Amino acid sequence: KAGVTQTPRYLIKTRGQQVTLSCSPISGHRSVSWYQQTPGQGLQFLFEYFSETQRNKGNFPGRFSGRQFSNSRSEMNVSTLELGDSALYLCASSLDGAGGLGYTFGSGTRLTVV
Amino acid sequence: GESVGLHLPTLSVQEGDNSIINCAYSNSASDYFIWYKQESGKGPQFIIDIRSNMDKRQGQRVTVLLNKTVKHLSLQIAATQPGDSAVYLCAEWARYGGATNKLIFGTGTLLAVQP
Repeated sequence: KAGVTQTPRYLIKTRGQQVTLSCSPISGHRSVSWYQQTPGQGLQFLFEYFSETQRNKGNFPGRFSGRQFSNSRSEMNVSTLELGDSALYLCASSLDGAGGLGYTFGSGTRLTVV
Repeated sequence: GESVGLHLPTLSVQEGDNSIINCAYSNSASDYFIWYKQESGKGPQFIIDIRSNMDKRQGQRVTVLLNKTVKHLSLQIAATQPGDSAVYLCAEWARYGGATNKLIFGTGTLLAVQP
């Protein structure tokens, strides 16, 4: 079966711009979680969506937002980009949000802010 | 922010040796722990997990040990191979009531296997 697909794989943006990243979960999975990965902070949880509702949120500013569509695909948006937003953004999908073997990560979107 | 800590950021081993990667966690209420392998350009891949009611769990060439007294987790890889070279991440499944859960990750250990 197809895995978790994240697009685009790479992005370069300028400070102050906004960006939208996309995540298509494994078919049948209703939960999508987003993480930011940087060399200094490691993997940090951003938020989780389940059946189009944000169910949990990490400690990130309001510039980071997301949404989920009826087909479970999810997007995250970062507005007013800062240099520190440069990171690998990963999404993970699962049937119900529970971790473990069924919690599958995509390959990520590498965002560079210049 | 919240994080699960690691003792060694880089571990270099010879092919065929056993590798031990360590991790400390802070939330004594966590009841589920997972090890992931992350290769360059890819997302984390599940290796093995363990619940807090267990001390040890074995998989194929990998063993996870959990010491709840000192809040310590370790991953042992037997007969390490060049294909094992990657970043290894420990994660703690943190529950916040109801259905709200999230993974809290350590910063990772880079395992470099020398042929």
